Amino acid sequence: KNEVEQSPQNLTAQEGEFITINCSYSVGISALHWLQQHPGGGIVSLFMLSSGKKKHGRLIATINIQEKHSSLHITASHPRDSAVYICAAEPPMDSNYQLIWGAGTKLIIKP
Amino acid sequence: KAGVTQTPRYLIKTRGQQVTLSCSPISGHRSVSWYQQTPGQGLQFLFEYFSETQRNKGNFPGRFSGRQFSNSRSEMNVSTLELGDSALYLCASSLEGGVRSPLHFGNGTRLTVT
Repeated sequence: KNEVEQSPQNLTAQEGEFITINCSYSVGISALHWLQQHPGGGIVSLFMLSSGKKKHGRLIATINIQEKHSSLHITASHPRDSAVYICAAEPPMDSNYQLIWGAGTKLIIKP
Repeated sequence: KAGVTQTPRYLIKTRGQQVTLSCSPISGHRSVSWYQQTPGQGLQFLFEYFSETQRNKGNFPGRFSGRQFSNSRSEMNVSTLELGDSALYLCASSLEGGVRSPLHFGNGTRLTVT
């Protein structure tokens, strides 16, 4: 079992729909990252959070530390939101620190 | 402020050859990490450099190596290329690496091994 699991693996929705992507992790973390990768390959960091909720425009990220679960929501989705969304768990700072990556969720928003 | 720059953008090599990829981090960032991404797979961590020292290493064979220069620019080298090395190689820079330091990715180098 992977230490960071994302669901769904693929998601297709119509423009305007509310989107939820889930990320569950089994390790202790100091923070959780959400990133977006467009078809060209470039990756953009969306959020880094260790508790509660963060909002940026139409994107909202939440995390529940007790349940080891995070969600990324997109409101009023648009075709330009089509991308792969990746979550990554950041372990507590130690001598072997490295992010633990989810496999990504491929999102397609149809006009 | 310029972003993370990776060169070249595309590369085609033959099995058995070696390749060197370059990554210039955002000015002031001291941490550079490298990742391999193959179709259908998540990012696989290769290594991280901080102030010219390799701080962490993933589970890749010794054919994969890297270094970081005093200006924080980093290179990774793959020797004796295999077909399975075909992938998108991404580098990311951050201020300090580690806790609460957002990653900034380059656009990647797409390597094809024939």
